[in-house]
Amino acid sequence: ILNVEQSPQSLHVQEGDSTNFTCSFPSSNFYALHWYRWETAKSPEALFVMTLNGDEKKKGRISATLNTKEGYSYLYIKGSQPEDSATYLCVCGSARQLTFGSGTQLTVLP
Amino acid sequence: NAGVMQNPRHLVRRRGQEARLRCSPMKGHSHVYWYRQLPEEGLKFMVYLQKENIIDESGMPKERFSAEFPKEGPSILRIQQVVRGDSAAYFCASSPRTGGEDTQYFGPGTRLTVL
Repeated sequence: ILNVEQSPQSLHVQEGDSTNFTCSFPSSNFYALHWYRWETAKSPEALFVMTLNGDEKKKGRISATLNTKEGYSYLYIKGSQPEDSATYLCVCGSARQLTFGSGTQLTVLP
Repeated sequence: NAGVMQNPRHLVRRRGQEARLRCSPMKGHSHVYWYRQLPEEGLKFMVYLQKENIIDESGMPKERFSAEFPKEGPSILRIQQVVRGDSAAYFCASSPRTGGEDTQYFGPGTRLTVL
């Protein structure tokens, strides 16, 4: 069973601030790492999937990096907006299943 | 192209009854995954199915829970003789290929309440 840890658990930022969160995972037998965005009362929505050490992905104001050797990934949000408020899930994928971190709950205050 | 469909969205059962949760994957997806979110907890993997086959059920409770994905029709998660501890949100996801690297698309979930 993989142990996927995310920090911080929750975060409040002001509109316009940039922010980042961390995901750590076992570096041995790495397969794939996903980031999902989960808004209250909705279903998780895929943001990125990364497989290679050094991968960087970007989608608008959100970007992510991956370090498989040391077992961490960062998610960055530039110029946070209230609509970015959600729980951001880091997920490790093996061949058969996904293991979810507990998420970072982001609240962007107007 | 409709997304992943789950029904019912809300289900209320009394202790001892059976609960049947349905999931229709996205068109063209042959891989289905079920996850459970207990109150105040994150998503936990339950089972991974392809058409007519259970690939990985390592997250399924050993008793009362079963899942199927028949050749025709939706995937079904079945909970027999429900107990209060089964109250949770059950999410289904689908992918076109095996999910470790492939993005999974999630349905809206079924919220089960056991009275």
